[in-house]
Amino acid sequence: DTGVSQNPRHKITKRGQNVTFRCDPISEHNRLYWYRQTLGQGPEFLTYFQNEAQLEKSRLLSDRFSAERPKGSFSTLEIQRTEQGDSAMYLCALPEAEVNVLTFGAGSRLTVL
Amino acid sequence: QQPVQSPQAVILREGEDAVINCSSSKALYSVHWYRQKHGEAPVFLMILLKGGEQKGHEKISASFNEKKQQSSLYLTASQLSYSGTYFCGTEMRDYKLSFGAGTTVTVRA
Repeated sequence: DTGVSQNPRHKITKRGQNVTFRCDPISEHNRLYWYRQTLGQGPEFLTYFQNEAQLEKSRLLSDRFSAERPKGSFSTLEIQRTEQGDSAMYLCALPEAEVNVLTFGAGSRLTVL
Repeated sequence: QQPVQSPQAVILREGEDAVINCSSSKALYSVHWYRQKHGEAPVFLMILLKGGEQKGHEKISASFNEKKQQSSLYLTASQLSYSGTYFCGTEMRDYKLSFGAGTTVTVRA
């Protein structure tokens, strides 16, 4: 039990389709992060929320990507018009309160055909 | 900016030692170390804060040279369970971690 649940765990889609990933923290966390990890690389920061507010977005995040955290609890990450380059593991992470130590969810693996 | 890790990979026999290095061109507030096993999410090992404070794994040690913006992770008397990919993550007090490309450690019996 990592403290954060992600769904779906795997998603295979055709290029051009839209996909949505969901992150559910088990307990309350003010901040919530999304990272993306491709094969052989470390996690790359995408965006983070302080409660409902999206405070920062990486330049990696094109206009096709949108994230929400409507009630300050769960979060969704949507990718529109998927491209093969979007294939990756999408990781949600929650920080410990005083220091920014991250607990990662198991991730949602996206494969775009 | 992404920190630079070295080496990219290391192969050890049980009981041997290894050092993994991480460097940044930016002034850092903290350095984090995570380990990821195949098919799993990264798991926190240790954090080193500016000023010398450390928190983390009992059996793994690390150092942080604030002047050089460099950190090293020391794997001592390695065990089979130490196998995995190690990532350093750096933070400039902006609530974002930037991760290196990773160092793959293989420990053989």
